[in-house]
Amino acid sequence: NAGVTQTPKFRVLKTGQSMTLLCAQDMNHEYMYWYRQDPGMGLRLIHYSVGEGTTAKGEVPDGYNVSRLKKQNFLLGLESAAPSQTSVYFCASSRSQGREQYFGPGTRLTVT
Amino acid sequence: AQRVTQPEKLLSVFKGAPVELKCNYSYSGSPELFWYVQYSRQRLQLLLRHISRESIKGFTADLNKGETSFHLKKPFAQEEDSAMYYCALKGGSSNTGKLIFGQGTTLQVKP
Repeated sequence: NAGVTQTPKFRVLKTGQSMTLLCAQDMNHEYMYWYRQDPGMGLRLIHYSVGEGTTAKGEVPDGYNVSRLKKQNFLLGLESAAPSQTSVYFCASSRSQGREQYFGPGTRLTVT
Repeated sequence: AQRVTQPEKLLSVFKGAPVELKCNYSYSGSPELFWYVQYSRQRLQLLLRHISRESIKGFTADLNKGETSFHLKKPFAQEEDSAMYYCALKGGSSNTGKLIFGQGTTLQVKP
């Protein structure tokens, strides 16, 4: 099992550009999450999904959109990137609520 | 408001010394608390959760509802314990599994 994988690992964007981060899990987990990690702020939840076809806003959703068309994939989109979105993005999945969350390796995004 | 506070950004100790990483939370209800760890160049992983009342890699954490704390402790630190530690609270409604993370504490164990 690969667990949770994220694509790409690194990306540099110019302000205003768009991109999609892909998260994939092969554990048949229902729940998936997108976090961003910033120095001194820990991990903050951007969006999450409790099952295929469902998404919901987390703590810091502005400027991001998500889709969960397939159970194993959770996509995070930036329509018009801003320097404030420079961060490390982590995807996680869990079998059910309250269970351990399994994290991906992260995507380091820089917006110039 | 639901919140997790880790007051120390960096905790530096010598090998063999006791370690206590502090975590305080704010939550109205019965909290579920976790400690996650991120070793250098590895992904974030669960260390322990309070409902299991387990000891992992010599670490323990006791939930103190009176002090709203969930401090992580180890009696004798090892160099391989050096990592970033996050305290997390399961927040929101009961069926979402959302975690609220603290700011993280970097533990540095010196030889």
